[in-house]
Amino acid sequence: SAVISQKPSRDICQRGTSLTIQCQVDSQVTMMFWYRQQPGQSLTLIATANQGSEATYESGFVIDKFPISRPNLTFSTLTVSNMSPEDSSIYLCSVLPYSAPGQGADEQFFGPGTRLTVL
Amino acid sequence: GENVEQHPSTLSVQEGDSAVIKCTYSDSASNYFPWYKQELGKRPQLIIDIRSNVGEKKDQRIAVTLNKTAKHFSLHITETQPEDSAVYFCAASYNFGNEKLTFGTGTRLTIIP
Repeated sequence: SAVISQKPSRDICQRGTSLTIQCQVDSQVTMMFWYRQQPGQSLTLIATANQGSEATYESGFVIDKFPISRPNLTFSTLTVSNMSPEDSSIYLCSVLPYSAPGQGADEQFFGPGTRLTVL
Repeated sequence: GENVEQHPSTLSVQEGDSAVIKCTYSDSASNYFPWYKQELGKRPQLIIDIRSNVGEKKDQRIAVTLNKTAKHFSLHITETQPEDSAVYFCAASYNFGNEKLTFGTGTRLTIIP
């Protein structure tokens, strides 16, 4: 398993500002992902955070709006830039621990989430 | 890309009865199908998963079935208890190379005491 922490746990921000969310894991993991969960909705993948290279973004999400860093195998940040009220959501990181060679990856673990409210 | 549909969106069952949630997926290459439970204000947590080389998997009161031909899978909860009340999400991914999860829309399960 993996123990994941996110900072901040919640924040209230003014429109036009930016917020950086941190995701820290207690052990090295192979993959890290960032999801958005809008109120009462399902989880939507924003991007895959790649260690040492640019993140891989899903359709509808762009680097200028959601820049992502992953400097090592245990840490990643997601920035929500130039925020508007539509960005009010819960942002969750998830991780995929290493598995044995030739084995499919197992459980993806989620962080506790960051609840963002944009006024 | 993958598309996962989930039904029903809400489900209420009497305590002790069974609950069934169904999902369909579109990408025949998907081979890993987890189910997550999310309680109010909490993070999603895996409750059971199944791979495409298995037709059924059971863990105590929870079971999942997979029909690869029809591209659908189902979650079965027997002898439901009040603590089973939560939102349940199915998901699909192609393991061994692209582990990103595509989630269904969720089912809010309410257990009536």
